[in-house]
Amino acid sequence: EVLLVESGGGLVQPGRSLTLSCTASGFTFGDYPISWVRQAPGKGLEWVGFIRSEAYGGTTEYAASTKGRFTISRDDSKSITYLKINSLESDDTAVYYCTRDQEFDRSPLDYWGQGTLVTVSS
Amino acid sequence: DIQMTQSPSSLSASVGDRVTITCRASQGISSFLAWYQQKAGKAPKLLVFRVSRLQSGVPSRFSGSASGTDYTLSISNLQPEDSATYFCQQFYSSVRTFGQGTKVEIK
Repeated sequence: EVLLVESGGGLVQPGRSLTLSCTASGFTFGDYPISWVRQAPGKGLEWVGFIRSEAYGGTTEYAASTKGRFTISRDDSKSITYLKINSLESDDTAVYYCTRDQEFDRSPLDYWGQGTLVTVSS
Repeated sequence: DIQMTQSPSSLSASVGDRVTITCRASQGISSFLAWYQQKAGKAPKLLVFRVSRLQSGVPSRFSGSASGTDYTLSISNLQPEDSATYFCQQFYSSVRTFGQGTKVEIK
């Protein structure tokens, strides 16, 4: 069974940094790109960015709204993906989902984690 | 970035009805489009991808189609468990984008 489990969310003060983790199981983690998607309370889905598999360079892409403050990385030996967010702002308050891209390129998100809530507030 | 304009933002229909949701892409996306269903308090679930391919386990009352840059999700024989918010997403560009979502309510 494919599972994605996010962790690391919580209440954080504006301006601080936070690293979210996504631990995967049930599939060959290193073969797949991993994306992050967030959802502010009562709002729609916002694609944050993704990281390709190492076979495709392990490179990353980001939404314009997240580029610069967000960094996605992966540790294939541990089947974990990380999302680091710097200089947190109140608009970063959201549930953050880790997702698996269905295949190596241009593919939908076929498995989702349960999400982890990040609340940015003083 | 490619913009996905989804409509309507909400709709209400009765059990057994057929409903349609549309996403218009701001440029060609060559059918690299998916639809997701999100029930209240849950993570989204992949329903349809590459316009019309059903994800495993998705009931056949869900279907997708395309015309130019317009992409449509149809739900025939609407069921109570279809009450949810539906999102489209393009994955043509390396910067992926979602539509704003359509909330489907059952009368």
